[in-house]
Amino acid sequence: DAKTTQPPSMDCAEGRAANLPCNHSTISGNEYVYWYRQIHSQGPQYIIHGLKNNETNEMASLIITEDRKSSTLILPHATLRDTAVYYCITSTSGSRLTFGEGTQLTVNP
Amino acid sequence: EAGVAQSPRYKIIEKRQSVAFWCNPISGHATLYWYQQILGQGPKLLIQFQNNGVVDDSQLPKDRFSAERLKGVDSTLKIQPAKLEDSAVYLCASSSESFSPLHFGNGTRLTVT
Repeated sequence: DAKTTQPPSMDCAEGRAANLPCNHSTISGNEYVYWYRQIHSQGPQYIIHGLKNNETNEMASLIITEDRKSSTLILPHATLRDTAVYYCITSTSGSRLTFGEGTQLTVNP
Repeated sequence: EAGVAQSPRYKIIEKRQSVAFWCNPISGHATLYWYQQILGQGPKLLIQFQNNGVVDDSQLPKDRFSAERLKGVDSTLKIQPAKLEDSAVYLCASSSESFSPLHFGNGTRLTVT
C-alpha cells in the first residue's frame, strides 16, 4: 500500500466546509483511496472511498486528482460532531488497512 | 443492524498476567480483524480471519498473543503474559467481503501496570 501524508491537525469553523488533504504520490493503479475517521473513544468509522473518479455520499465528497497522487476529503458543512481524527489510506482491496497518524480535525463553534 | 460488539470495555492487569478480549462481529460478516491502537497512533493490524481461517497474522507477536475464531463467528484475542508495552486499545472489525468497508467496535482499553 502506498504511503500517505496528511497534516497532523486542522481547524474548521462550524457550518463551513472542511477540506482535508492527503498526499499519496506512490499510489499504484489498482489502489483505492479510503477515508475513515475516529471520534474520541470510538472505533474508526468508514467515510468514503474511490479509485479515479470523484465520489460523493451522504457524509462527504472525495476529490482525487487526475494523476491520483493526492486527494481531498470534503465535509460540506462541518458540525461539532465532525471533530475527529481523519485517516487517509490506500488499499488494493479495502482490507488489511494500514493506518497512519491521520489529521486531527477540530470544528470550532 | 447491530454493530460489532466487544467486551470488556476496560481492563487493568499487572504485567505477566494473562487477559482475553471477546468480539462478536456483524451477523454474516465473513472477515474479522483485530487491531492494536497505542495512544497517539493509528490502529495496527494484528490478525485477519476469513471465516474461521487465518488470512494474515504476520504482525501478531505469536510468543504472547493468540487469537481464534471458532465456528467463524465470535473471536477471542489473548495475551499471555502481558507486558507494559501491551497497554493499548484493542479494536475488532468485520467486513462482509473484500472492498466492503470495515465496521469497527469501540474497542477494549487495556492498561498493564
